[in-house]
Amino acid sequence: NAGVTQTPKFQVLKTGQSMTLQCAQDMNHNSMYWYRQDPGMGLRLIYYSASEGTTDKGEVPNGYNVSRLNKREFSLRLESAAPSQTSVYFCASSEGQGLNQPQHFGDGTRLSIL
Amino acid sequence: RKEVEQDPGPFNVPEGATVAFNCTYSNSASQSFFWYRQDCRKEPKLLMSVYSSGNEDGRFTAQLNRASQYISLLIRDSKLSDSATYLCVGSGNTPLVFGKGTRLSVIA
Repeated sequence: NAGVTQTPKFQVLKTGQSMTLQCAQDMNHNSMYWYRQDPGMGLRLIYYSASEGTTDKGEVPNGYNVSRLNKREFSLRLESAAPSQTSVYFCASSEGQGLNQPQHFGDGTRLSIL
Repeated sequence: RKEVEQDPGPFNVPEGATVAFNCTYSNSASQSFFWYRQDCRKEPKLLMSVYSSGNEDGRFTAQLNRASQYISLLIRDSKLSDSATYLCVGSGNTPLVFGKGTRLSVIA
């Protein structure tokens, strides 16, 4: 019962370094999402992919890029990490063609930028 | 106005108490609503969907009031293990919008 798998679980970077967060789901879901969660801010959507081959910006896309590699995998890249990107990052997926289905989350990546 | 708003709490209640959370939404076109539970330093997990007719799952009851644009979650006979943050979620023409959550602490 893997569900949504995120790697790595923890990472410390220096300012300016690049990093790709990996996410894979084994539930044959069409849609995938990347969120960040900061204290007092709740979950904020960075990017999402409604279906394989498509990606769209969410609420806070600046400083990030994404790739929907195939139906299973959706990666998030920080090209030049900044301390403001210190956060917990969650990947999620949902079934169906629309974006109104409940989402299933991975257990997160805790990222610190020094 | 935020699309989904919740009282952040914390709600501190004794074991066995009944507690209710409300959540208001601004998008009248929203069709789907959910409650998620998030434990400290863990991922959000789906607690239950919310239907117009209401939805009950054991000690948990969710209701939707379209006229006043809010959803509610009622927890009866609170357990220590219910301590968590509860996220209200609504939809529209975009991906689901998450509220910031209401923190519940059940005290022995």
